[in-house]
Amino acid sequence: LAKTTQPISMDSYEGQEVNITCSHNNIATNDYITWYQQFPSQGPRFIIQGYKTKVTNEVASLFIPADRKSSTLSLPRVSLSDTAVYYCLVGLILTGGGNKLTFGTGTQLKVEL
Amino acid sequence: DTGVSQDPRHKITKRGQNVTFRCDPISEHNRLYWYRQTLGQGPEFLTYFQNEAQLEKSRLLSDRFSAERPKGSFSTLEIQRTEQGDSAMYLCASSLEAGSYEQYFGPGTRLTVT
Repeated sequence: LAKTTQPISMDSYEGQEVNITCSHNNIATNDYITWYQQFPSQGPRFIIQGYKTKVTNEVASLFIPADRKSSTLSLPRVSLSDTAVYYCLVGLILTGGGNKLTFGTGTQLKVEL
Repeated sequence: DTGVSQDPRHKITKRGQNVTFRCDPISEHNRLYWYRQTLGQGPEFLTYFQNEAQLEKSRLLSDRFSAERPKGSFSTLEIQRTEQGDSAMYLCASSLEAGSYEQYFGPGTRLTVT
């Protein structure tokens, strides 16, 4: 099971772009990279998922280099409400198609005015 | 649909008591997961159901823990003879698509064992 490593914390200001990098040196060929966001006293929320190159949705972009040993979550123009813990995951596919999400300690992002 | 719901939201119990938590997934989701989260840590996988079948259990799920999903709808997680180390947030999640890593989490049940 691929282990992920990401910074414990990051600080930013409103309106800035934030990039959180995650390393996953032992990622397997079939593994996808997924990012979740979690606010205090709430369950995690799916942000984005990718396999290679770049993926973009309405809230974030995910950049994955060719060797797939790292990935970068990019949050454009953050606001105070983006203050949360961000988790990088490399999931394991289970029998029947389910996914065993393995969370690390995540990156605490703090956005200030 | 209002998403994944969990009941109760908070539970305080004395050591040695049994507790049961309920999770109602998003109605069309056939996959259901339980996780446990302690302070400062990410959620840890406990178990997984596809419909009513329990297909995966973590070694974290000791024999004091049991989970069921009768009829493939709601699920219950029971902890017998609770210990102080069981104090945590218990999260339920559900998903629909095979191979997708997008799981929808409920708000969790916070258990405090005194």
